[in-house]
Amino acid sequence: GQNIDQPTEMTATEGAIVQINCTYQTSGFNGLFWYQQHAGEAPTFLSYNVLDGLEEKGRFSSFLSRSKGYSYLLLKELQMKDSASYLCAVLDSNYQLIWGAGTKLIIKP
Amino acid sequence: GAVVSQHPSWVICKSGTSVKIECRSLDFQATTMFWYRQFPKQSLMLMATSNEGSKATYEQGVEKDKFLINHASLTLSTLTVTSAHPEDSSFYICSAPRLAGEADTQYFGPGTRLTVL
Repeated sequence: GQNIDQPTEMTATEGAIVQINCTYQTSGFNGLFWYQQHAGEAPTFLSYNVLDGLEEKGRFSSFLSRSKGYSYLLLKELQMKDSASYLCAVLDSNYQLIWGAGTKLIIKP
Repeated sequence: GAVVSQHPSWVICKSGTSVKIECRSLDFQATTMFWYRQFPKQSLMLMATSNEGSKATYEQGVEKDKFLINHASLTLSTLTVTSAHPEDSSFYICSAPRLAGEADTQYFGPGTRLTVL
C-alpha cells in the first residue's frame, strides 16, 4: 500500500531551528509537496521537490532523497507565527496526492 | 491507508457538460467536508464548506450555481461542476475533519483532475 509518515507533533523554541521529517512509500513518484496549515485555514504551499537535493526559500528549506523515500522541511529562526500543522504530500504515478497526517508544530517563547 | 476517497480520479469532458465529483469518508462520519481547487504548485484554494443536512457555505468569488455541493450523508459529499469550461480545468481536492480526542485531524482526499476540452 501507499504510505506517508511524519511525526504527529513537535515542539521548538522561538528563534531556534526545527526539522520535520517525512518518509514515503508510494507507487511511483512525481514530486513531493510541503504545505503549512493554520487552524481553520486552507493549506498554503511551501515547497515542491521533484529532484534530489536541498531547495532553500527564505527561512524555509526542503530536502528530498528519492532513493531513500525521504524528505524534510527545515525551518530556521522560528517565529511564533510558525506554529501550525505541516503537511507532506506525494504525487504518485497516477498524479494522485498521497497525504501525510500532518505534523503539529508548537513554538514556545 | 486512505481515509478519504474521491471519485473519479481524473475526468476529461467537453465544454458545456456537467461533471460530478464524489468525496467519501471511509471509516468515519463527517458532518463537514471541505472542497478545494489547486493550480500547479500553488496553495489549495478553499471553495466551499459542505455541511450535512444543510446548505453549503461558499467562499467569496465562488459561484454557488456553478459549483453545486450536496452533502447527501455523513460519509458523502458531491461537487458538481455545471456547464464546465476550459478555465474550470484544475485539481479538485476534498478534505474531512475527524475528531480524535479533543482535536480535529484534517484528512485530505487524493484529488480529482478535471480537464475540460
